[in-house]
Amino acid sequence: DADVTQTPRNRITKTGKRIMLECSQTKGHDRMYWYRQDPGLGLRLIYYSFDVKDINKGEISDGYSVSRQAQAKFSLSLESAIPNQTALYFCATSHPTRSPNVLTFGAGSRLTVL
Amino acid sequence: AQSVTQLDSQVPVFEEAPVELRCNYSSSVSVYLFWYVQYPNQGLQLLLKYLSGSTLVKGINGFEAEFNKSQTSFHLRKPSVHISDTAEYFCAVFTGGGNKLTFGTGTQLKVEL
Repeated sequence: DADVTQTPRNRITKTGKRIMLECSQTKGHDRMYWYRQDPGLGLRLIYYSFDVKDINKGEISDGYSVSRQAQAKFSLSLESAIPNQTALYFCATSHPTRSPNVLTFGAGSRLTVL
Repeated sequence: AQSVTQLDSQVPVFEEAPVELRCNYSSSVSVYLFWYVQYPNQGLQLLLKYLSGSTLVKGINGFEAEFNKSQTSFHLRKPSVHISDTAEYFCAVFTGGGNKLTFGTGTQLKVEL
């Protein structure tokens, strides 16, 4: 099994629908992140969490929310999806002291909003 | 604020030729620097990192990068590329105050026969 698992891997939805992307990890890492990848823009940070009670906005958090249900689980929600949220979404984890800021990425969730 | 610039969006190269992918960063404080690689339809994986010490760092698959503080650069090199090196490469910078990684826009390396 992958260290960082994202579900679903692909999703097509319509404008206005609520969408949840889920991430679970077996690395035992405290820190978890959600990034969005768009062609020509690289990866941009949406939200990050350093432990279960800690949630922080990244550079592009508008239109998104997150929930850290447990150390191993971090979900990203789009309350009302819009077409410009069509992108590839990555979850990542890191350990705060071992190899600081080396991220382990999931395989990605491709979201298309029609 | 920190930022990362990858000037080349695409780099075509023939197999067995050398390649250099350029990365420049801006930060007023000490940095940690990273290169990640993304193969088609996969997530990113760490290629190499500079945290401190020797400015020449070696990574997986024969890649290396050199940290140049005066030029604020961290260029990635490989002396002889293979078809399997075709992928997108991302430079990233971390500063302790920011507490997170900032990625460049990526360079698509296409290795041709």
